[in-house]
Parts: sequence; C-alpha cells; structure tokens
Amino acid sequence: AQKITQTQPGMFVQEKEAVTLDCTYDTSDPSYGLFWYKQPSSGEMIFLIYQGSYDQQNATEGRYSLNFQKARKSANLVISASQLGDSAMYFCAMRGIIQGAQKLVFGQGTRLTINP
Amino acid sequence: DTEVTQTPKHLVMGMTNKKSLKCEQHMGHRAMYWYKQKAKKPPELMFVYSYEKLSINESVPSRFSPECPNSSLLNLHLHALQPEDSALYLCASSQGGTGVTGELFFGEGSRLTVL
Repeated sequence: AQKITQTQPGMFVQEKEAVTLDCTYDTSDPSYGLFWYKQPSSGEMIFLIYQGSYDQQNATEGRYSLNFQKARKSANLVISASQLGDSAMYFCAMRGIIQGAQKLVFGQGTRLTINP
Repeated sequence: DTEVTQTPKHLVMGMTNKKSLKCEQHMGHRAMYWYKQKAKKPPELMFVYSYEKLSINESVPSRFSPECPNSSLLNLHLHALQPEDSALYLCASSQGGTGVTGELFFGEGSRLTVL
C-alpha cells in the first residue's frame, strides 16, 4: 500500500533562513508522482512543486526545491530564504494508481512558523 | 486567484436539513475530486469523477451524494448529516487520464458546520 510520512508536526525558523521539511514515502509501484502543497489558514491547498519518479533531476520552483532521493524513498522540500508569508501547513502527497484508479494521498503535514 | 471555485464558503446546517456544495472549474480538466479535511488533519479523499463518471467512492456514507452534471461542475449533496461531519470540504480538479503527473488544483473549500 502507498504511504506518506511527515515526521515533523511543527517547525520554527527565523526569517531569511533556509528550511527543510521532511517527507518519506512507501510504494511498490515504479511510476508515481510526489507533490508538495501549502495550506495557509484560509484553507486553500496551494501547489508548490512536483517530482516524477522517473525524473533524473531534482525539481525546483523559485525558492522551492525538492531533494529527491529515490533509493531512500525521501522527497524533502527545501525553502530558501524563508519569509513571514511562508508560515502555513505543508503537506507532502503522493499520486499513484491504487486499485486501478488515480489517487492523491497526503502525509500528516508539518506546520511551519517563520519568526521575524 | 484560484481557478476552482467553491460555494458556499461557509455553511451551517441542522441534522435534518438538505443542502448542497458546489464546485466549478473552467480549465478543461476531466477529473474532479471531493476531499474532506478535519481540523489539524490531512485531506481525505471522498470521491473521484473521471470524464463525468464516478470512478472512486472511498466508502463514504450515503448521506453524502456526489453529482457531476457536466465536465465543469461537481456537486456534493448533503442530507441528514451528523455533527462529526463538520469539516472543510475541498474540491479539486486535474487534467485526468491514467498518468500520475499533473497536479491537482484545489478550491478554497467550503467550511461546513452541522448543529
């Protein structure tokens, strides 16, 4: 079965510092996608970055990069030069074919707080 | 601004009421989803529509009834709900197909309170 694990319930970081949010996953499928979403207090899930299981290079999107280590089954999110607006809940998610249908399964999330 | 629009943003209903949540997208996506999210928990998948047909029902109680009238609209009909059904209901869409690429685009959610 597919499983996503985020082991950091909460993180506190000083503004302008880099932060790494951990995510490990488990799947027996060779084809899968890994996503990171940000959820501010307003509730909307905001897509940040995507990594495909066959992608050779780590994904990057502006200040966000994904440290993909396939052998270790980890897909950590790195946010460079953190800003106060980065304070939010962050979810790692995996998309795969489960029981013949596409599903996106979320980890438990990490609440990130950026301190001024 | 989100390209997936959900209405209403807030809904308070009694256990005997019948109400509906509405979701609309105009990105030409062919897969649409309902997720339920309790406080401080991750979203949990409820239903998936692919090409306007229900493809996944995650054993959701029948008091939740989804409907996909066309490729742009997704409704969730609510009837005889329980207080424990109070949650944020998120709608999402994606391009569809059988690949695992392509992100889901989420709406801002409908926050439901059942009294």
